[in-house]
Amino acid sequence: YVLTQPPSVSVAPGKTARITCGGNNIGSKSVHWYQQKPGQAPILVISYDNDRPSGIPERFSGSNSGNTATLTIARVEAGDEADYFCQVWDSSSDHVVFGGGTKLTVL
Amino acid sequence: LQLQESGPGLVKPSETLSLTCTVSGDSISSSFYYWGWIRQPPGKGLEWIGDIHYTGSTYYNPSLKSPVTISVDTSKNQFSLRLNSVTAADTAVYYCASFWAKLGTRYMDVWGQGTTVTVSS
Repeated sequence: YVLTQPPSVSVAPGKTARITCGGNNIGSKSVHWYQQKPGQAPILVISYDNDRPSGIPERFSGSNSGNTATLTIARVEAGDEADYFCQVWDSSSDHVVFGGGTKLTVL
Repeated sequence: LQLQESGPGLVKPSETLSLTCTVSGDSISSSFYYWGWIRQPPGKGLEWIGDIHYTGSTYYNPSLKSPVTISVDTSKNQFSLRLNSVTAADTAVYYCASFWAKLGTRYMDVWGQGTTVTVSS
């Protein structure tokens, strides 16, 4: 199972960033998103398509339908600049699958 | 819950890479948790290596070229990674993580800080 993400997304501060994750019928799976800042371990920002763990700002949200899942970051701040990875559990092969990652640049 | 990786930072080609992850703040013997490893080669994305349940059930990434073994020691609240016959392609930051497994999915809710392993003679 393959997850496809755009290599990069750029957005101005205060605007909305949308990062996509494409996969065959991904809407039938739960999608999870991670944020990784330079030199740091990833952290979970969205689980089960649109659940925010404790401590993650409400500006972060997710959606998932058809062949595309989307991570949306509203009112983007400079501190949101990071790499973002989507992830699913492929139950047909019992594998964890990551997308290739998207670098979010805040202009 | 906290996880901490430990192990050598330099491994020679064809030798075995061994890392241990110590879990603190919760028991490794939790029904809903798996415990596993992810790596990240320099400048690249995340690669799942595999994970294990405290009962011994394991899942591995078949794409890995080096043979992998993940084991768990419930008495020490630790789990370990062994990667045999390593090559330069195994050079990466290695993360251990707790994998929450419920409702037909699995995700990493807590990560260790990561440890850099270089394969070089």
